[in-house]
Amino acid sequence: DGGITQSPKYLFRKEGQNVTLSCEQNLNHDAMYWYRQDPGQGLRLIYYSQIVNDFQKGDIAEGYSVSREKKESFPLTVTSAQKNPTAFYLCASSIIGSYNEQFFGPGTRLTVL
Amino acid sequence: AQSVSQHNHHVILSEAASLELGCNYSYGGTVNLFWYVQYPGQHLQLLLKYFSGDPLVKGIKGFEAEFIKSKFSFNLRKPSVQWSDTAEYFCAVNAPHNNDMRFGAGTRLTVKP
Repeated sequence: DGGITQSPKYLFRKEGQNVTLSCEQNLNHDAMYWYRQDPGQGLRLIYYSQIVNDFQKGDIAEGYSVSREKKESFPLTVTSAQKNPTAFYLCASSIIGSYNEQFFGPGTRLTVL
Repeated sequence: AQSVSQHNHHVILSEAASLELGCNYSYGGTVNLFWYVQYPGQHLQLLLKYFSGDPLVKGIKGFEAEFIKSKFSFNLRKPSVQWSDTAEYFCAVNAPHNNDMRFGAGTRLTVKP
């Protein structure tokens, strides 16, 4: 089955700890994205990557970091510098080119206690 | 950068009622437009998209949207909703020169049986 997997589905962390969210795709897509979804605010872009070993900041990159060492994987680290990390995080991928739709994973709900 | 406004936060309809969800974007140039849907507990998925040509676009499950350039709008419509259309709907836009997609805040649709 082709698709995007995100793990875990629910994640709990103590304040002050860094946490890494996993995103893997087997669609052979070059571009991958991380969004944060909050009620009433829609999806906001955190980071995106169009090629291995390269990535760009989105609108709300502060307090987050990413890596893209493999085409299939785009992990997101929520650092202790992120002031309000509790949220629903969505990973997506697409073929390069703005005409192409983005395919989304099931999301990870992060709760920082 | 482009931005998207969805004015209806929560819409409640009875089955068989007609639906129109508003979407306006702000960007001076050519844009690509999308509607995504998030059913309860499911992944975000594409309903329909517009790049060029006929401004009336038909999507899955009987949905359609009309691009009105002069109004910077891309409203979503369905003549007769079903209980299974209960979901959150997101309008999104990107510019042809990049993969950087912007989403609206979303509209939650509740269809009463």
